[in-house]
Amino acid sequence: ETGVTQTPRHLVMGMTNKKSLKCEQHLGHNAMYWYKQSAKKPLELMFVYNFKEQTENNSVPSRFSPECPNSSHLFLHLHTLQPEDSALYLCASSLDTQNTEAFFGQGTRLTVV
Amino acid sequence: AQKVTQAQTEISVVEKEDVTLDCVYETRDTTYYLFWYKQPPSGELVFLIRRNSFDEQNEISGRYSWNFQKSTSSFNFTITASQVVDSAVYFCALSEAWRSNSGYALNFGKGTSLLVTP
Repeated sequence: ETGVTQTPRHLVMGMTNKKSLKCEQHLGHNAMYWYKQSAKKPLELMFVYNFKEQTENNSVPSRFSPECPNSSHLFLHLHTLQPEDSALYLCASSLDTQNTEAFFGQGTRLTVV
Repeated sequence: AQKVTQAQTEISVVEKEDVTLDCVYETRDTTYYLFWYKQPPSGELVFLIRRNSFDEQNEISGRYSWNFQKSTSSFNFTITASQVVDSAVYFCALSEAWRSNSGYALNFGKGTSLLVTP
């Protein structure tokens, strides 16, 4: 069983919908991340939270809104997405942001129709 | 500019063959870390190894071995006597200081898809 759990595993949403992705880690880590994995492209870092504070927004469009209520939970709120936003969204956590290895969840496969 | 290059998009081998996955990186930092992750069909990335820029010793873990060569900016991964369960996408990643110097973030290569057939 993975220490990082993401729900839902699959999501289909229309361009006018609002949905949220959830990530939970049980590893006692202090840093959490959202990555986007599109077909034939490298994994792209989206957001970084360290001790619940956002420390990096990698030029992500505002239709993606992260939320980190505590060090164990991370959300990605989605609204008015585009079909090109369809991808695998991966959550990860690490002990801190100083080069400790990151542990990943299984991802949410998002399809925007 | 791509910081991590995995030139091999797909590799197919027969079980028990040895296979090497190439990784070339680019950085101006003197302190950096290199990683390999495995992504099986289930989706999650599984951590395999982390190597810091000051440690060029090669490492062996069971059937896995890694060859770090700073002179050629390469961090290659070899699987000896491959097995069907090794079939996955393998990612090499580089971690260097962020622009803001507030920490590190992983730059991933595009991955190499390895298929091991019986």
